Amino acid sequence: DIQMTQSPSTLSASVGDRVTITCRASQSISSWLAWYQQKPGKAPKLLIYKASSLESGVPSRFSGSGSGTEFTLTISSLQPDDFATYYCQQYNSYSLTFGGGTKVEIK
Amino acid sequence: EVQLLESGGGLVQPGGSLRLSCAASGFTFSSYAMSWVRQAPGKGLEWVSAISGSGGSTYYADSVKGRFTISRDNSKNTLYLQMNSLRAEDTAVYYCAKDHEGSGSYLAVGAFDIWGQGTMVTVSS
Repeated sequence: DIQMTQSPSTLSASVGDRVTITCRASQSISSWLAWYQQKPGKAPKLLIYKASSLESGVPSRFSGSGSGTEFTLTISSLQPDDFATYYCQQYNSYSLTFGGGTKVEIK
Repeated sequence: EVQLLESGGGLVQPGGSLRLSCAASGFTFSSYAMSWVRQAPGKGLEWVSAISGSGGSTYYADSVKGRFTISRDNSKNTLYLQMNSLRAEDTAVYYCAKDHEGSGSYLAVGAFDIWGQGTMVTVSS
C-alpha cells in the first residue's frame, strides 16, 4: 500500500497567517490526491481534488499544489472557521490511503 | 439536497456480526461508486471498502478482506456493509461516502465529495 505522510502533525497559527501543510507519498501518485477538512464530531469535507482543483463552494484562500510524491495544502489567510484537522488522501491505487492528519490550532 | 444517512451501528461482542446501511438521496445513486471509510476514536481516517455504481466490482482494505462484504441495492438507493468476525480494532465511526465524479481517477473511486454523518460501531465484551 502507498503510505501518506503529513507534516506537521500539529500546527499553531493565528488568524491571518499563511499556513502550509505537506503530504508525501511513498511512491508516485501523479496528481491523484485529495485534501479534506474535518471538525470534531463531524464528517470530513472535501477541499481539493486532483491535487490542485478547488471543490465547488470552498473558499479561494485554500489551494493545493504538487505532483508525484510531494504535495502541499496552503491556506492563504487563516480564518477562525479554518481551525480543524486536515487530511490528504491518495487515489492512485488500492488500498486508498489517508495521511495521519494535521491539526491546526489557535496560537 | 444530496444526502447520505447511515444506520445500523451499535455495540457488538468480539466475533459477532453487524450490517450497516447508508440511504442515499438527491442524486442518481446507481451512477456513482460508493465507499465506506472508518475512524477509530481519536484516530485518523481509514478507507474500508468500495463498490462500483453497478455493484459489479468491489474493493477492500487488507484489514477487512474476508470479513466484511460491501453491497448495494440501486432500486432502494442503499449501500450496505456486512461486517462479520468483528474485532476490537474494528471499533470506529463508519462513514459512507460518494465518489466525486470530477476527481478524474482511473480507479472505480477517487475523492469523496459527499459523506454521511457516520454511525458508531463498538466491538467489546
